[in-house]
Amino acid sequence: GAVVSQHPSRVICKSGTSVKIECRSLDFQATTMFWYRQFPKKSLMLMATSNEGSKATYEQGVEKDKFLINHASLTLSTLTVTSAHPEDSSFYICSARVLGTGFMNTEAFFGQGTRLTVV
Amino acid sequence: AQSVAQPEDQVNVAEGNPLTVKCTYSVSGNPYLFWYVQYPNRGLQFLLKYITGDNLVKGSYGFEAEFNKSQTSFHLKKPSALVSDSALYFCAVIFTDKLIFGTGTRLQVFP
Repeated sequence: GAVVSQHPSRVICKSGTSVKIECRSLDFQATTMFWYRQFPKKSLMLMATSNEGSKATYEQGVEKDKFLINHASLTLSTLTVTSAHPEDSSFYICSARVLGTGFMNTEAFFGQGTRLTVV
Repeated sequence: AQSVAQPEDQVNVAEGNPLTVKCTYSVSGNPYLFWYVQYPNRGLQFLLKYITGDNLVKGSYGFEAEFNKSQTSFHLKKPSALVSDSALYFCAVIFTDKLIFGTGTRLQVFP
């Protein structure tokens, strides 16, 4: 099946610094990638939809200047957490959908997640 | 807005017994429903989906789900649980071309 690779799997950073998380589709092209944040109580919150070659679409309440998303190619999307604070500590998960498909005929494929800890 | 609800925070079941993880949906129009599983510190893995057709959908690892329009439910089931099935299970619905997840149900299978 399709593979989505997320890197790093774990990162610890100091408050005030920025952290970049990469999401790559390894064996398929993806015009659309999604970024989720998972909270300790386990619920998954959709943060933004990333579209190749255009600006990301952020969900209500998500600060676009804090969570910068870049989707520069059909196989790579990045999430940069800027000026990180301890409350940004969380598990971030990306997912990708195969180019030219919709949810009607394919599922989304998920990366393994990134555990961010801000100290 | 489309949404799914998972009323149980945790489900406990003995190995070998049947399991059910509940999901109800609230959508306008035809619902497109999914089940995903998450193992510790991992991303989500697709189990099955309902788009149209038979109400009983068979998926990966012996799981199945029954779409019930009158009860607006899409419960996940397995006839005989395994300890290795212990994980976090998410029901999801498509809304404006995005996957929206329920709050998740932790399944614990005891030997």
